[in-house]
Amino acid sequence: DTGVSQNPRHKITKRGQNVTFRCDPISEHNRLYWYRQTLGQGPEFLTYFQNEAQLEKSRLLSDRFSAERPKGSFSTLEIQRTEQGDSAMYLCASSLGSGVAFFGQGTRLTVV
Amino acid sequence: DAKTTQPNSMESNEEEPVHLPCNHSTISGTDYIHWYRQLPSQGPEYVIHGLTSNVNNRMASLAIAEDRKSSTLILHRATLRDAAVYYCIGARSGMRFGAGTRLTVKP
Repeated sequence: DTGVSQNPRHKITKRGQNVTFRCDPISEHNRLYWYRQTLGQGPEFLTYFQNEAQLEKSRLLSDRFSAERPKGSFSTLEIQRTEQGDSAMYLCASSLGSGVAFFGQGTRLTVV
Repeated sequence: DAKTTQPNSMESNEEEPVHLPCNHSTISGTDYIHWYRQLPSQGPEYVIHGLTSNVNNRMASLAIAEDRKSSTLILHRATLRDAAVYYCIGARSGMRFGAGTRLTVKP
C-alpha cells in the first residue's frame, strides 16, 4: 500500500499520560497536514509542514501538542498530559504542493 | 484559506443527479476550489478540484461561477455509496474544512 499510513490505528490512554502518533506520507509528497476530528464535526486543522518546516499551526492548538517532521518524510504528533477532551480521531494527510491531499485512516485516541 | 458555506444536509434519490452548492465569497484569485468527501469511519477522500473552468472527472463535475464566489459539485447519478459528508475548501496553504454537507441517498 503506497498511501498515507498512520500508526497506531487506535490508542487508549489514561488521563495525564503522553501519547505519540506517527504518519508516513506518500513518498514524494512535500506537504503533510495534521487534523483532529470529533463526532459530527469536520476535520479541524492542527498544523502543516512543507518538507521539514512547520509552516502553520492552529491558534487553537495548546502547548501540550507538538508535531515534528525531522527529515521531511514521516511526522509525529505528540500530546502531553492528555485530557479527556483530547479524545478524537487524529488524521494525517499529504500532498504535492497545494495539490490534491490524500488522507490516512486516522488514529482514534480515547483518553480514560 | 477562504471561508466556505454549505448546507448542513441534503437528500437525493438513488440514480438521480445531485447538486451540492458551496459559497466561497472571500476566495482569492489563486485559491483552488477543492471538494472532498468522507464516508462513515473513513478519512476524507478527494473528489475534484478546479480554479476557474468547469471540471469533470469519473466521480463528479465541478461547476464554478464566473465570479468564483460559489461552486457546485454535481453527482450525475447518485448511488447509495455516495452517501457521505461533502466538504468544499478554498485551498492555498493549510486546508481548512468546514462542517460540510451530509448527503443522504434514498433507494
